[in-house]
Amino acid sequence: GQNIDQPTEMTATEGAIVQINCTYQTSGFNGLFWYQQHAGEAPTFLSYNVLDGLEEKGRFSSFLSRSKGYSYLLLKELQMKDSASYLCAVRDFAHDYKLSFGAGTTVTVRA
Amino acid sequence: KAGVTQTPRYLIKTRGQQVTLSCSPISGHRSVSWYQQTPGQGLQFLFEYFSETQRNKGNFPGRFSGRQFSNSRSEMNVSTLELGDSALYLCASSLDGVGGGSYEQYFGPGTRLTVT
Repeated sequence: GQNIDQPTEMTATEGAIVQINCTYQTSGFNGLFWYQQHAGEAPTFLSYNVLDGLEEKGRFSSFLSRSKGYSYLLLKELQMKDSASYLCAVRDFAHDYKLSFGAGTTVTVRA
Repeated sequence: KAGVTQTPRYLIKTRGQQVTLSCSPISGHRSVSWYQQTPGQGLQFLFEYFSETQRNKGNFPGRFSGRQFSNSRSEMNVSTLELGDSALYLCASSLDGVGGGSYEQYFGPGTRLTVT
């Protein structure tokens, strides 16, 4: 299976930048996903990385280093609505392309 | 197009009962995955169905089962409910999970099951 680790909580100020790290161990890496989940709602897709490097999507960017088993999600120009849980998920072809999720990082944005 | 729908949204059952949850995927999506989400364990994969066949299974007891119909709609069943089964059950659909690709999963709103 996979071990996916991410910090439990992070707090930042409106307008600031926050970086959420995710480390993983997998025998057949086949892609890493980031999801956002607001309290009481379903997770929504944010980004996908399968090759090393940075993927940018507006205020959100995601980085991957396969050799290090490491990814981060960068949230820029934080807004109050960015307060949510951010889930890192890894797909593994050695386990029938199953998607495994980290426990999530709760980000709180303060005014 | 319409998103993933799940019914019912909330359910209260007592120990020993059984429950059936329903999920309708996005039109055209053939893969449906089920997850259990609890505060302590996070999102745990239950199983995945593709073209009416279970393609993948997580580490849950046999009390948890599912099926998929020819229109890709899926149901999951939990028999002999235990208190620990109280959780949010999420269904997610995707075009296809096999072979990689950025086939992101789209989640439904979930069914909140409370076992008393």
